[in-house]
Amino acid sequence: NAGVTQTPKFQVLKTGQSMTLQCAQDMNHNSMYWYRQDPGMGLRLIYYSASEGTTDKGEVPNGYNVSRLNKREFSLRLESAAPSQTSVYFCASSEIGRSPYFGPGTRLTVT
Amino acid sequence: EDQVTQSPEALRLQEGESSSLNCSYTVSGLRGLFWYRQDPGKGPEFLFTLYSAGEEKEKERLKATLTKKESFLHITAPKPEDSATYLCAVQDAGNNRKLIWGLGTSLAVNP
Repeated sequence: NAGVTQTPKFQVLKTGQSMTLQCAQDMNHNSMYWYRQDPGMGLRLIYYSASEGTTDKGEVPNGYNVSRLNKREFSLRLESAAPSQTSVYFCASSEIGRSPYFGPGTRLTVT
Repeated sequence: EDQVTQSPEALRLQEGESSSLNCSYTVSGLRGLFWYRQDPGKGPEFLFTLYSAGEEKEKERLKATLTKKESFLHITAPKPEDSATYLCAVQDAGNNRKLIWGLGTSLAVNP
């Protein structure tokens, strides 16, 4: 089992560009999450999906959109990237109420 | 306000020097407390879940304990490969989807 996979691993964008971060899990989990991790701020929830077909905002959703494509895949889109979105992005999955399992992360720099 | 505080922020130990990391929390009702390990450049790796005061979990040199207000991660005779950031997260009983994360303790074990 690969667990949670994320692509790309690294990305550099210019302000105003758009991109989609891809995430897939093979653990048959219902819930999936997108977090960002910044120094001194810890892990902050951007969006989550409790089950296929549902998505909800987390703590810091502004500037992002998500799509739960199917049970396995959950993508995060930046429509118009800003320097404040420079961060490390983690996708995670879990059964509802259980501990999430994380992917390896995407390191995004917006110049 | 729900809050998770980890201490110390950073800890440097000599190989074999046992110590404890602290995670104190304030939530209306605890559903679960999770410990993770995070190596530089990687995603958090799940270690333990604790559900009720008095519960203990062990894995190799690590033992996690839980009281009504805090959790400890005890590291016995640490080795250099135990060097990492240790994260604590708390799940409020009133919300099964969102975790409240601490900022972590950065542990360095010198040979």
